[in-house]
Amino acid sequence: DAKTTQPTSMDCAEGRAANLPCNHSTISGNEYVYWYRQIHSQGPQYIIHGLKNNETNEMASLIITEDRKSSTLILPHATLRDTAVYYCILTTSGTYKYIFGTGTRLKVLA
Amino acid sequence: NAGVTQTPKFRILKIGQSMTLQCTQDMNHNYMYWYRQDPGMGLKLIYYSVGAGITDKGEVPNGYNVSRSTTEDFPLRLELAAPSQTSVYFCASSYSGGLAKNIQYFGAGTRLSVL
Repeated sequence: DAKTTQPTSMDCAEGRAANLPCNHSTISGNEYVYWYRQIHSQGPQYIIHGLKNNETNEMASLIITEDRKSSTLILPHATLRDTAVYYCILTTSGTYKYIFGTGTRLKVLA
Repeated sequence: NAGVTQTPKFRILKIGQSMTLQCTQDMNHNYMYWYRQDPGMGLKLIYYSVGAGITDKGEVPNGYNVSRSTTEDFPLRLELAAPSQTSVYFCASSYSGGLAKNIQYFGAGTRLSVL
């Protein structure tokens, strides 16, 4: 299964953009990049996903490099409620299993 | 819609006891999953199911059993509880619409301690 690499932790000032990177150099052609977040010890919450084009929704933007070996999740105006662990996940073909890493712990500072 | 509902929210077991963690979803999703999360770690897949009557092992299936008799329910069984099974357990479900639509919806979790 393809793996992802994320920084362990990041800080961001409230109101600023939070840019969370993810490396996935062994991604295969039909694998999507999914982003989830986990606030405190709640169940993970879906944020956004993409294949090769940049994507945007009401929560965030996803930028995927042209070679698809890395991506960046952008929270355009971070708030204190965005403090969470963010997971970058590659879907596996066939059975739709997720392989979670340890994620990035984002702390939004007032 | 309630989404994915897990019961109980908390449980303390003695070593060797057994219990069933319940999970039900009302979104008519074919795919369901069980994960465990140890402190400071990401989630690890225990078992998953692609439909009623079909289950398969994930990364860490030892010590657990599952069944899927209906689309809605996916219970997880611990037969002989061990301290190593102290963890937070999450159930999830997803629509089987292909890789482009594999959004998993998670329950609130069951916090289990085995003493």
